[in-house]
Amino acid sequence: RKEVEQDPGPFNVPEGATVAFNCTYSNSASQSFFWYRQDCRKEPKLLMSVYSSGNEDGRFTAQLNRASQYISLLIRDSKLSDSATYLCVVSFSGGYNKLIFGAGTRLAVHP
Amino acid sequence: SQTIHQWPATLVQPVGSPLSLECTVEGTSNPNLYWYRQAAGRGLQLLFYSIGIDQISSEVPQNLSASRPQDRQFILSSKKLLLSDSGFYLCASLRSPGENGYTFGSGTRLTVV
Repeated sequence: RKEVEQDPGPFNVPEGATVAFNCTYSNSASQSFFWYRQDCRKEPKLLMSVYSSGNEDGRFTAQLNRASQYISLLIRDSKLSDSATYLCVVSFSGGYNKLIFGAGTRLAVHP
Repeated sequence: SQTIHQWPATLVQPVGSPLSLECTVEGTSNPNLYWYRQAAGRGLQLLFYSIGIDQISSEVPQNLSASRPQDRQFILSSKKLLLSDSGFYLCASLRSPGENGYTFGSGTRLTVV
């Protein structure tokens, strides 16, 4: 079983749509959680950290369910510029802050 | 804020040739540094990490090695490249003490032919 699993997509949505991505992780000792965004042939960039209480940054909302080992990302009012691959990322103690990346979910927003 | 420099941006190398990719970090000292590889259509795989000068840990057995001769310099090497070494190589640094997110360099796209 992969340590971090994501639906690869692609998710094809029209502008203005709301889209949700899910992610599960296998290591219950995981301590920190993130969503990264990766544009085609570019390096990943931190989109947001994910906190147990859930957190929101503009149109983006992240949720964490530790009991189910499940992370989500909700994007409201999708823009063309949101088209990218979204990477679910976890880290856990004892690993020198190593981050484990999911393979990513591809989002394509169309006019 | 810290900046990571990687070069070259793209590289085409024949099978059996050596490799040296360099990563330097600005704006921080004594960072944790990481080398990741992303194969086409795949997720990022951690190759090496380093917590200090000459301190390297390998995550997976492979044809590559890493070195950290200076605090803010991290080098990825191979004596003889294989076709399977092709991929997108990314150097990363921990964003700041107490924070687990990474900053990535812009990466090197390596094609072994």
